[in-house]
Amino acid sequence: KNEVEQSPQNLTAQEGEFITINCSYSVGISALHWLQQHPGGGIVSLFMLSSGKKKHGRLIATINIQEKHSSLHITASHPRDSAVYICAVEAGGTSYGKLTFGQGTILTVHP
Amino acid sequence: ETGVTQSPTHLIKTRGQQVTLRCSSQSGHNTVSWYQQALGQGPQFIFQYYREEENGRGNFPPRFSGLQFPNYSSELNVNALELDDSALYLCASSKQGQQYFGPGTRLTVT
Repeated sequence: KNEVEQSPQNLTAQEGEFITINCSYSVGISALHWLQQHPGGGIVSLFMLSSGKKKHGRLIATINIQEKHSSLHITASHPRDSAVYICAVEAGGTSYGKLTFGQGTILTVHP
Repeated sequence: ETGVTQSPTHLIKTRGQQVTLRCSSQSGHNTVSWYQQALGQGPQFIFQYYREEENGRGNFPPRFSGLQFPNYSSELNVNALELDDSALYLCASSKQGQQYFGPGTRLTVT
């Protein structure tokens, strides 16, 4: 079993739909990262969370440390949101900056 | 723009050869991590450098080695290339917990 599991692996939506991507992890962490990867490879950091909830534009990320679970929500989805969304955890201490990644969720938003 | 650059963008090598990939991060980013991402998979941690010293290593053999330089640049060296080394190689620098990824180098081993 992977330390970081994401669901779903693939997600197709119509423009305007509300989207949720889930991430579960099995280790103690100091932070959880949500990342976006476009075709071609470049990865952009969306959020870094250690507790609670963060919002940036149409993106919302939440984390429940007790349940070892995080969600990424996209409101009013748009075709430009199509990308791979990756959850990654950071164990902290000597593991500062060392990320363990989920397998990614491929999101396709149709106009 | 993350301020992290990598070179080359693409590279084709033959099995058994050696390769050096380069990463340049922002001033003040003392930590750099390297990751290998096989097609369709999430990235896997190779190793991390902090202030020019290796600071942790993932499950990769010794033929994967690295260097970090005082000017915030770093290198990933892979000796005796194998077909399974074909992947996207990403570097990421860290500052105050925030991760800044480079665009990656796509290595193909034939």
